[in-house]
Amino acid sequence: GAGVSQSPSNKVTEKGKDVELRCDPISGHTALYWYRQSLGQGLEFLIYFQGNSAPDKSGLPSDRFSAERTGGSVSTLTIQRTQQEDSAVYLCASSLLGSRGMNTEAFFGQGTRLTVV
Amino acid sequence: RKEVEQDPGPFNVPEGATVAFNCTYSNSASQSFFWYRQDCRKEPKLLMSVYSSGNEDGRFTAQLNRASQYISLLIRDSKLSDSATYLCVVILSGAGSYQLTFGKGTKLSVIP
Repeated sequence: GAGVSQSPSNKVTEKGKDVELRCDPISGHTALYWYRQSLGQGLEFLIYFQGNSAPDKSGLPSDRFSAERTGGSVSTLTIQRTQQEDSAVYLCASSLLGSRGMNTEAFFGQGTRLTVV
Repeated sequence: RKEVEQDPGPFNVPEGATVAFNCTYSNSASQSFFWYRQDCRKEPKLLMSVYSSGNEDGRFTAQLNRASQYISLLIRDSKLSDSATYLCVVILSGAGSYQLTFGKGTKLSVIP
């Protein structure tokens, strides 16, 4: 498709299990971002990829969270030993590297709603 | 001081009213600016970019004041469909990182 695609759209998991969330960015977009949003709250930055490298991982909340990106395209966000406080909507966005090396506006996927029970 | 600050609102305005939102950013090296709109339980969507010269798109006008480090969004002739949360977004570059930093958003409710 033409937009950012995320899967699954909804995930219910038991506390302590690992989950993997997938993001398929817009073709040709070099930058990829992961955010999470708890109900009624703002967007919380998690990690940013430029190509396959992650120059900014500062937002990952703990070492249970990791992310990778392969082939400059698909990215996966993995949460190990999930906790109830991990419940949120996880949003992925991608953008194009524009002129003067600046990233342009970002386009979001519809998100993965994660519920840890 | 937070990197990007917005008045959370809510702003409750009648149809047809003009409403303005402001957003301030802390890093003077910020280079690109946007307004996004987020409807309830939906993903954010780009509303408009913000240029130094100011720009207008129909009923929406965005302004950037680099000296004072703030961005504004003006909505004229408000419609019920304008009800949403408006997010101010700043791109800061440095050391190979181009992080999109979002404000917490300003909630707008347009009332019949």
